[in-house]
Amino acid sequence: QKEVEQDPGPLSVPEGAIVSLNCTYSNSAFQYFMWYRQYSRKGPELLMYTYSSGNKEDGRFTAQVDKSSKYISLFIRDSQPSDSATYLCAMSEDQAGTALIFGKGTTLSVSS
Amino acid sequence: GAGVSQSPSNKVTEKGKDVELRCDPISGHTALYWYRQSLGQGLEFLIYFQGNSAPDKSGLPSDRFSAERTGGSVSTLTIQRTQQEDSAVYLCASSLKGRDRPLNEKLFFGSGTQLSVL
Repeated sequence: QKEVEQDPGPLSVPEGAIVSLNCTYSNSAFQYFMWYRQYSRKGPELLMYTYSSGNKEDGRFTAQVDKSSKYISLFIRDSQPSDSATYLCAMSEDQAGTALIFGKGTTLSVSS
Repeated sequence: GAGVSQSPSNKVTEKGKDVELRCDPISGHTALYWYRQSLGQGLEFLIYFQGNSAPDKSGLPSDRFSAERTGGSVSTLTIQRTQQEDSAVYLCASSLKGRDRPLNEKLFFGSGTQLSVL
């Protein structure tokens, strides 16, 4: 079992839909959880960052972490065509510089 | 520019040749990472530099891969005797170690080098 599992999709939704993206993981030592967005032919950019369990909201984006279930989610409300990209979850054990472990990414397409 | 710069953006090489990929991190960023992204795969960690500490090379897939970071700034990833399975996008990222926030809170990625080994 890989450390981080993420459904690659593709996921296609109409504009305005609520999108749910998810990752599961096996390493209970992970404490820092991130979501990156990657447009075609570009490097990933950080969207959301969460420490330990709980929710975090930023505009149309909400990140949730459930450490008991080893499950994290990213919700996108009122999705826009500009949200079409690949979304990668990432996580790490500590803040001391341990490299992030990434999921494979989910490709999202939002149609107008 | 203000972002992470990688060169070349595309590299086509023949099997068995050596290649060098360059990364210019954001000025002042102390941490530098190399990742590899293959088609349908997530980002695979290769190597990590932090300040003057010994690099974390635990992700390098074989001894054909090596990396240097000169003067705490520019980094070069070298792949010797390239193989077809080395074909991938090689991404570099840098981050700033903030005093009151986690080191890896925000990685800034370059656009990557697309390596194709024929």
